[in-house]
Amino acid sequence: EVQLLESGGGLVQPGGSLRLSCAASGFTFSSYAMTWVRQAPGKGLEWVSAISSSGGSTYYADSVKGRFTISRDNSKDTLSLQMNSLRADDTAVYYCAKDIGGRVRGLLDYWGQGTLVTVSS
Amino acid sequence: EIVLTQSPGTLSLSPGERATLSCRASQSVSDSYLAWYQQKPGQAPRLLIYGASTRATGIPDRFSGSGSGTDFTLTISRLEPEDFAVYYCQQYGNSRTFGQGTKVEIK
Repeated sequence: EVQLLESGGGLVQPGGSLRLSCAASGFTFSSYAMTWVRQAPGKGLEWVSAISSSGGSTYYADSVKGRFTISRDNSKDTLSLQMNSLRADDTAVYYCAKDIGGRVRGLLDYWGQGTLVTVSS
Repeated sequence: EIVLTQSPGTLSLSPGERATLSCRASQSVSDSYLAWYQQKPGQAPRLLIYGASTRATGIPDRFSGSGSGTDFTLTISRLEPEDFAVYYCQQYGNSRTFGQGTKVEIK
């Protein structure tokens, strides 16, 4: 059974940093691209960032480019999102999701339950 | 960036009725790379449809997708109590964007 478990969310002040992690199990992690999607309270889904299966290709939404860094450790089946220079509008539930193939396509067949990031003073 | 506009914003229907949800793209979605997701309160989204019309694994056949180019439709033939949720369309042909969602609520 595919499982994705996010962690690392919490309350952070504007301008601060946070690192999210996603522990994957139930599939061959190193064979699949992975994605972060976020959802602000009461709002819709926003694609944030994606990484290919090897980690060699990464993609970012314009809203986070230059502030967020996606990475993966295929030896530990773990996906990460380093978030710097956080702003109030980064407040959201952050979901980790599995792509259907090794190349980033953005078609997401499994999702974690999400971790809440709150940016507030 | 391709903008996806979903309509209506809210659909009020009774169990057993047919639901028709629309997703319109600001430009043509290449190769019909259009997906639909269902999200229930407090839960993660679930993939329903991809390639505009292919049901994902385990999705009941009351869910169907159609369309091409810029106009796409998700149809739920007969609403079951568990189908009341928010539905999002997403294009994955040119970068990746989501629509703003359609809420299907009990009338």
